[in-house]
Amino acid sequence: EAGVTQSPTHLIKTRGQHVTLRCSPISGHTSVYWYQQALGLGLQFLLWYDEGEERNRGNFPPRFSGRQFPNYSSELNVNALELEDSALYLCASSRRPSSYNEQFFGPGTRLTVL
Amino acid sequence: DQQVKQNSPSLSVQEGRISILNCDYTNSMFDYFLWYKKYPAEGPTFLISISSIKDKNEDGRFTVFLNKSAKHLSLHIVPSQPGDSAVYFCAASASTGAGSYQLTFGKGTKLSVIP
Repeated sequence: EAGVTQSPTHLIKTRGQHVTLRCSPISGHTSVYWYQQALGLGLQFLLWYDEGEERNRGNFPPRFSGRQFPNYSSELNVNALELEDSALYLCASSRRPSSYNEQFFGPGTRLTVL
Repeated sequence: DQQVKQNSPSLSVQEGRISILNCDYTNSMFDYFLWYKKYPAEGPTFLISISSIKDKNEDGRFTVFLNKSAKHLSLHIVPSQPGDSAVYFCAASASTGAGSYQLTFGKGTKLSVIP
């Protein structure tokens, strides 16, 4: 069974630019989650999509957005990049939301904003 | 407001000895708890989980203990191996209420197993 995949693996952008990160969940998983891990910090929850809808978002500004496609893949968009957006962006997927929710993570996209 | 806390940023253990990683939580709605292991530049890997109806779950060298009254859980690794050196994240979820089914993570504990 293929795991969660993310693209690209690394990305360098400059302040003010826009970026799109992509994620493909494990086959059969309907939920996709996005997390940000900035240097020295834990995993900060960004967004949760299930069945094509945004279910919840974390404490991030509106310039962080995303969507989920009919095949359950997802993209994360970040507009007007700031230096502090430099981080590892992790995508995770899980089966239909349930009481026992094991999320499986992709390798992440390392974003550097100069 | 940190609902899941891992108060030890780092831990060093000799190879072959027991590693004990601790985690505290404040949200009484949490009913499912997980541990993830993360190597640098990789995504977290699911390790072991426990539901609130149990107080212990074992999987090989890894055992998770849950003390609901103290809102505390711990991960025991016996015996510790150099390959266990990684950052360990504790996570929790609730099946009801606002934000249900989402995982809330602690900040992680970096385990170093010394050969």
